[in-house]
Amino acid sequence: QSVLTQPPSVSAAPGQKVTISCSGSSSNIGNNYVSWYQQLPGTAPKLLIYENNKRPSGIPDRFSGSKSGTSATLGITGLQTGDEADYYCGTWDSSLSAGNYVFGTGTKVTVL
Amino acid sequence: EVQLVESGGGLVQPGGSLRLSCAASGFTFSSYEMNWVRQAPGKGLEWVSYISSSGSTIYYADSVKGRFTISRDNAKNSLYLQMNSLRAEDTAVYYCARLGGYSGSYFDYWGQGTLVTVSS
Repeated sequence: QSVLTQPPSVSAAPGQKVTISCSGSSSNIGNNYVSWYQQLPGTAPKLLIYENNKRPSGIPDRFSGSKSGTSATLGITGLQTGDEADYYCGTWDSSLSAGNYVFGTGTKVTVL
Repeated sequence: EVQLVESGGGLVQPGGSLRLSCAASGFTFSSYEMNWVRQAPGKGLEWVSYISSSGSTIYYADSVKGRFTISRDNAKNSLYLQMNSLRAEDTAVYYCARLGGYSGSYFDYWGQGTLVTVSS
């Protein structure tokens, strides 16, 4: 049972924008950096956003991240068919035992 | 080029053991913290275990504590996961992932994964 809640799915037409929310608490998002991962069908996850809003080299600026309080948001603009994937947020959590990393429940993005 | 290649997965009976390996290349392995993350069929990502660059600090998810052991051999650029007392719910693809950056807050490189199936 993940402590980070994401919507199960979001969808939009090509060229449109989608946002994915990631809701947590003060023991995780509220006091730690958030990262986002993209998992294309049948492949390993790939880092999309790190430290709340930074993009690794090679990630287009169509992808953006933000954080406010105990929630984080991933935005994708200019939606493309190649963006169809599962997206996960992640961060460290200190509410249970030490050194516990948690992922969000995951969101499937569908391009209509 | 950073590469992480897992191996050792397979079919094992409940209560059995398996040892996963992750071969790292393309970076100074001994300088990075490493992790295991798993994904059950059709499910989301679940963090399993963390090990510091020297191996002196280790963390486990509650779901595997007492049954799994993470270790590393910096001389061999390799990460390991010894899995004992395996259960059906341990069935998953297991990924090794590098913890990146000074903040240590994100996984910047992932392996392709190795499938572990626990079934009689």
